Amino acid sequence: GAGVSQSPSNKVTEKGKDVELRCDPISGHTALYWYRQSLGQGLEFLIYFQGNSAPDKSGLPSDRFSAERTGGSVSTLTIQRTQQEDSAVYLCASSLKRGDPGTQYFGPGTRLLVL
Amino acid sequence: DQQVKQNSPSLSVQEGRISILNCDYTNSMFDYFLWYKKYPAEGPTFLISISSIKDKNEDGRFTVFLNKSAKHLSLHIVPSQPGDSAVYFCAASDLKTGFQKLVFGTGTRLLVSP
Repeated sequence: GAGVSQSPSNKVTEKGKDVELRCDPISGHTALYWYRQSLGQGLEFLIYFQGNSAPDKSGLPSDRFSAERTGGSVSTLTIQRTQQEDSAVYLCASSLKRGDPGTQYFGPGTRLLVL
Repeated sequence: DQQVKQNSPSLSVQEGRISILNCDYTNSMFDYFLWYKKYPAEGPTFLISISSIKDKNEDGRFTVFLNKSAKHLSLHIVPSQPGDSAVYFCAASDLKTGFQKLVFGTGTRLLVSP
């Protein structure tokens, strides 16, 4: 497809379970970003990838959160032992090159609800 | 600590009139500012940006103004159209970090009525 895709679009899970969220960036985009938007909040930066490496993980809220990117393409955000406060929309974005302003293209997001 | 603030959660404007959306920031290291537009069930889409070396940037009906001394920026939409109804997010970044980690405001929901 032409844009950033994310799956699943919606996920309901029980507290304590692990979840995996997937992001397929635009083909050829080397930079990939994860954000989340909690209810009533702005988008919060989580992690950034340049290629397969993550030079900035400063936004990950706890060690229950991890992310990886393989082949310079698909990325997976994993949340272990989910908590109710993890409920949010998780957004992925990609851009053509590092530090290229204004050109982060966002996917539609994964809506996560932890019961 | 909210570094980027959009104090108006919503704004209603009539078609053809001007829409003015405001944004304030606290971090003086920010040197690049962007506006994103978001429709329901879609990701944000880039609208317009401005570098800190400028005080105005215009693109069609959209103009962004930056007042660095006041740490304030605004987005003007003239004339407003019903299709502009969406949530608008202000975002800021420090390009000196070498990548664009965006810090977002909480958004302003714009409703343009016919």
